[in-house]
Amino acid sequence: QKEVEQNSGPLSVPEGAIASLNCTYSDRGSQSFFWYRQYSGKSPELIMFIYSNGDKEDGRFTAQLNKASQYVSLLIRDSQPSDSATYLCAVNIRAGGTSYGKLTFGQGTILTVHP
Amino acid sequence: ETGVTQTPRHLVMGMTNKKSLKCEQHLGHNAMYWYKQSAKKPLELMFVYNFKEQTENNSVPSRFSPECPNSSHLFLHLHTLQPEDSALYLCASSQVVGTSSYNEQFFGPGTRLTVL
Repeated sequence: QKEVEQNSGPLSVPEGAIASLNCTYSDRGSQSFFWYRQYSGKSPELIMFIYSNGDKEDGRFTAQLNKASQYVSLLIRDSQPSDSATYLCAVNIRAGGTSYGKLTFGQGTILTVHP
Repeated sequence: ETGVTQTPRHLVMGMTNKKSLKCEQHLGHNAMYWYKQSAKKPLELMFVYNFKEQTENNSVPSRFSPECPNSSHLFLHLHTLQPEDSALYLCASSQVVGTSSYNEQFFGPGTRLTVL
């Protein structure tokens, strides 16, 4: 089982729709979760982080965390063509008794928003 | 300069060459990281430096040699690389407090490395 798993997509949604990106993780003790956006040929850009169960909203983005189900998601409302990118889920996975500084990434979901 | 910078942005080298990648962070962070990103594969953590000390070496071959002279600068020295080492090499930094796992990492633009 992969430590962090995402559907690779591609996920295609029309402009103005809600895009839903999902991520599952294996370590039940993980405490922090991150979503990065990566445009083609660019480096990852942090867009959301969440530490507690429930929802966290920032503009058009909502991160949802369910630790019992080991599941984190990212919703993008009113999707725009400029949101087309690869979205990376990252989880702070415990390793060797300490987890600080160590993020494990999923393989990313390619999102395409078409006009 | 702001954020995390990396030089060079592109590098082509032969298998017998020796080269170095440089990373500098202007965020006042105390931890720095090297990642490798290959096509169709997840980001792979290579090295972690926390307070200038290496705390993680993720089974990286010895042809990659990191150096962290201070908390703002990080180097990756390369020698006798293989074509399969061609990838995007990303540097990141974060502020680590104690053993906290709340650790937002910020990436530099990366160095696109091609090994011939």
